[in-house]
Amino acid sequence: GAGVSQSPSNKVTEKGKDVELRCDPISGHTALYWYRQSLGQGLEFLIYFQGNSAPDKSGLPSDRFSAERTGGSVSTLTIQRTQQEDSAVYLCASSPRGIRLAGRGYEQYFGPGTRLTVT
Amino acid sequence: AQSVSQHNHHVILSEAASLELGCNYSYGGTVNLFWYVQYPGQHLQLLLKYFSGDPLVKGIKGFEAEFIKSKFSFNLRKPSVQWSDTAEYFCAVNARDTGGFKTIFGAGTRLFVKA
Repeated sequence: GAGVSQSPSNKVTEKGKDVELRCDPISGHTALYWYRQSLGQGLEFLIYFQGNSAPDKSGLPSDRFSAERTGGSVSTLTIQRTQQEDSAVYLCASSPRGIRLAGRGYEQYFGPGTRLTVT
Repeated sequence: AQSVSQHNHHVILSEAASLELGCNYSYGGTVNLFWYVQYPGQHLQLLLKYFSGDPLVKGIKGFEAEFIKSKFSFNLRKPSVQWSDTAEYFCAVNARDTGGFKTIFGAGTRLFVKA
């Protein structure tokens, strides 16, 4: 079946511009996660959705970052007024159940990522 | 707050050598543990996971990991690596944190296997 897809695969933007990154999770997966992967930094948790609500936004680095999910499916991560330090690979993952509801960590299925470069 | 440490950022081995990648976490309660792998040009994918039961878990491609609760460790092992094991490996821990359960990833270990 289809996996998690993300678009665009690459995005180059000028400092100060806004960008939108899209994630299509696996059909039927209720939980959706956004991470940021910088060189040598591992995966930095950004935000988690259970359905359309976001019980955990604790990882968003600043108020320039926001995310939404509609219809329990597609999610968009928006970065306003981009800065050079925002350059990274942004990964999306989905899982069949949310970690909060399940009380345990279910396996996450990752997309290919969006490589964002802010010049 | 919980954290995950992977001791080696880069490992270079020859084919047939044995592999052990360290992973330690800082949390005293119940944890669920994962190793993910990212092959060059591919998505992150699950290698193996531990929820409960036998602390020695086996994953795909001959990998295994041992959960040692007293050492807060979940080291990844493979007796004999192949060139195709060249990849980046991430340890992840899911545990209760402020606001609920959260999965924290380590910084990753890049493994290069020489043919």
